[in-house]
Amino acid sequence: GAGVSQSPSNKVTEKGKDVELRCDPISGHTALYWYRQSLGQGLEFLIYFQGNSAPDKSGLPSDRFSAERTGGSVSTLTIQRTQQEDSAVYLCASSLVSPGYEQYFGPGTRLTVT
Amino acid sequence: AQSVSQHNHHVILSEAASLELGCNYSYGGTVNLFWYVQYPGQHLQLLLKYFSGDPLVKGIKGFEAEFIKSKFSFNLRKPSVQWSDTAEYFCAVYNNNDMRFGAGTRLTVKP
Repeated sequence: GAGVSQSPSNKVTEKGKDVELRCDPISGHTALYWYRQSLGQGLEFLIYFQGNSAPDKSGLPSDRFSAERTGGSVSTLTIQRTQQEDSAVYLCASSLVSPGYEQYFGPGTRLTVT
Repeated sequence: AQSVSQHNHHVILSEAASLELGCNYSYGGTVNLFWYVQYPGQHLQLLLKYFSGDPLVKGIKGFEAEFIKSKFSFNLRKPSVQWSDTAEYFCAVYNNNDMRFGAGTRLTVKP
């Protein structure tokens, strides 16, 4: 079956502009995660959605970052007024039921802020 | 919040050498433990996991990991590495809706 997909695969934007990153999880997976992967920094948790519950936003680095998940499926991560330090690969993952189960990762979106 | 530590940032081995990558976590309660791998140009994928039972778990491609509760550790091992094992390896710990990854260990296997 189809895996987790993310778009765009690459995004170059100017400092100060807003960007939207999209994630399509595996059908039927109720848990969805966003992570940021910076060079040498590993995976940094950003936000977690579980079904219809309020998302866990504890990992968002600033109020410029927000995310939503529509209809329990597709998710969009929005970064407003991008800064150069936002440059990273943004990864989305989904899992069946809860994050305690295996997470399936998408290919990521490489964001470059110039 | 719990934390996950991977002791080695970059490990370089020759083919057929044995591998052990360290992983320690901070939470003392019940945890689910994972090792993920990211081969060059590919997605992160699950290598192995521990939920309960036998603390020695076997994963794909000859990897195994041992959960030592008293040491809060979940080290990854392989008796004989291959060039194709060159990748980045991430340890992850789940507890109470909180999933945390380590910083990763880059493994380079020289042919």
